[in-house]
Amino acid sequence: QSALTQPPSASGSPGQSVTISCTGTRSDVGGYNYVSWYQQYPGKAPKLIIYEVSERPSGVPDRFSGSKSGNTASLTVSGLQAEDEADYYCCSYGGSNNWVFGGGTKVTVL
Amino acid sequence: QVQLQESGPGLVKPSETLSLTCTVSGDSISTFYWSWIRQPVGKGLEWIGRIHTSGTTNYNPSLKSRVTMSLDTSKNQFSLQLSSVTAADTAVYYCARVPNWDYFDYWGQGTLVTVSS
Repeated sequence: QSALTQPPSASGSPGQSVTISCTGTRSDVGGYNYVSWYQQYPGKAPKLIIYEVSERPSGVPDRFSGSKSGNTASLTVSGLQAEDEADYYCCSYGGSNNWVFGGGTKVTVL
Repeated sequence: QVQLQESGPGLVKPSETLSLTCTVSGDSISTFYWSWIRQPVGKGLEWIGRIHTSGTTNYNPSLKSRVTMSLDTSKNQFSLQLSSVTAADTAVYYCARVPNWDYFDYWGQGTLVTVSS
């Protein structure tokens, strides 16, 4: 199963919004509402920020939001802050008890 | 506070078996699923597989022939074995909790395993 497709990079100025796409197929992203997003700082473990397409774990700022349309899921970071500069990964259930990650997107706060 | 900690050799020779253990504190492994995920340095994440408290396992099809996961409930640990390793298996290996079947909410800090002679 191929990795989900994410743009390698995205950027925005403080206070702006940035949206990251995660494109799969109807066998993964399009077929299930089991998309999650993770934030990773260099040298650190990933941190869950969105699960089941649009749910936010306790403690995650509401600046982070998720959505899905067809075979593409999206993560939007509103009101960008310097601390949001990190790598972001999407993950989807791929059927047959298999999970697939995206290649990751590096977000730069200008 | 749930914490996970990976442990195991940092260097494995080609063709040998990589063995890692994840020790869980703040929760019992007799609940939920538990997973292994790896990340080659400078690259993306790859799901390796998961194990349920019942012992049921699911593995990434691309690794299935080489992967074995197990539980030790007496030590609150779960383990990963990856056989016949090559340089392509060099990565940071993470263990993670899977609380609701479909996402990973608590992660270990990761451990770098290098495959080299």
